[in-house]
Amino acid sequence: NAGVTQTPKFRILKIGQSMTLQCAQDMNHNYMYWYRQDPGMGLKLIYYSVGAGITDKGEVPNGYNVSRSTTEDFPLRLELAAPSQTSVYFCASSYPTLGPDGQPQHFGDGTRLSIL
Amino acid sequence: DAKTTQPNSMESNEEEPVHLPCNHSTISGTDYIHWYRQLPSQGPEYVIHGLTSNVNNRMASLAIAEDRKSSTLILHRATLRDAAVYYCILNRDDKIIFGKGTRLHILP
Repeated sequence: NAGVTQTPKFRILKIGQSMTLQCAQDMNHNYMYWYRQDPGMGLKLIYYSVGAGITDKGEVPNGYNVSRSTTEDFPLRLELAAPSQTSVYFCASSYPTLGPDGQPQHFGDGTRLSIL
Repeated sequence: DAKTTQPNSMESNEEEPVHLPCNHSTISGTDYIHWYRQLPSQGPEYVIHGLTSNVNNRMASLAIAEDRKSSTLILHRATLRDAAVYYCILNRDDKIIFGKGTRLHILP
């Protein structure tokens, strides 16, 4: 199994450009997540999805959009890139909660994005 | 948000046990305690989780205080490959909030 696959691994954008970060998982997980990690900091949740057609905002959703048309894919869209969006972006997936227990999240290797 | 407090960094000698502490005084009854670690230039990796009882797996052990306001991740025999940032997290409603974690340095 490939697990969680993120593409591209690196990208440089100019201010105002747009792009889509791709995330795919082959574990049939219902739940998928997007995080960003700034240097020296922990991860911050941008958006998450509990299934196809359902998405919700996390801690830092401004400047981003997501869609979830299939179980496997959860792309993250930047419409007008800004320098503040320079970060490392991680996608994750998991099975849904069974009662109060949260299933472990499986992470991709990240996309390193620079906005110049 | 469910907050946790961890030391910024710790050091340990190779092949010795390591005890990584975490305080979570505002934990609620249904919050699970999760630990992840992040190796350099990689995404976070799940280590272990628990609710009330101590837990063991092939990677580590998790000791949870009786009042659940603190926990300790135990690496029984640290190796150089265990050098990473370790995150203690409360899993609430399938959302996990990352803090800054503890950067663990392993001395050869």
